[in-house]
Amino acid sequence: QKEVEQNSGPLSVPEGAIASLNCTYSDRGSQSFFWYRQYSGKSPELIMSIYSNGDKEDGRFTAQLNKASQYVSLLIRDSQPSDSATYLCAVQLLGVFGNEKLTFGTGTRLTIIP
Amino acid sequence: AAGVIQSPRHLIKEKRETATLKCYPIPRHDTVYWYQQGPGQDPQFLISFYEKMQSDKGSIPDRFSAQQFSDYHSELNMSSLELGDSALYFCASSLALAKNIQYFGAGTRLSVL
Repeated sequence: QKEVEQNSGPLSVPEGAIASLNCTYSDRGSQSFFWYRQYSGKSPELIMSIYSNGDKEDGRFTAQLNKASQYVSLLIRDSQPSDSATYLCAVQLLGVFGNEKLTFGTGTRLTIIP
Repeated sequence: AAGVIQSPRHLIKEKRETATLKCYPIPRHDTVYWYQQGPGQDPQFLISFYEKMQSDKGSIPDRFSAQQFSDYHSELNMSSLELGDSALYFCASSLALAKNIQYFGAGTRLSVL
């Protein structure tokens, strides 16, 4: 079992609708959680970070964290064709200096249908 | 704003050759990470450096080595290249004790023929 699990998709969502991406993790020592967007052949680009239980909103994006259920999600409102990409969930353990490695899920491929 | 700079962007090598990848972190960032991403795979952590000292090591082959220099740039040295080493290699940098947001460079695409 991978430490970070995501549905690989592809997930197809009509333009203007809400896209919902899910991620579960196995290590309860995980402290920081990130969503990265990656276009094909490009580098991961940070979309959201979340550190405590609850919701965190930034523009059209909302991240949700539930540490008890070891679950983190990303909602994309008013989906646009430019949101079509692979979304990587990344998890980081608590470390002394806070600079631990990221462990990634396999990513969910999202396609927004015009 | 300055980003993480990686060079070269593309590299083509033959089997058993060596390759050196370079990474220049965001100014004032003190931690550098190297990740390898194979085709259709998620990024896999290779190695990291904090203040020029190796801080963590992941699934990095013994054929690979890395270091961070006094100016904080880092180099990943890869020897006896194999076909399976063909991948995207990303460098990321962060500032420890500052929520550790890791910012990724554009990557080096290594093709081993």
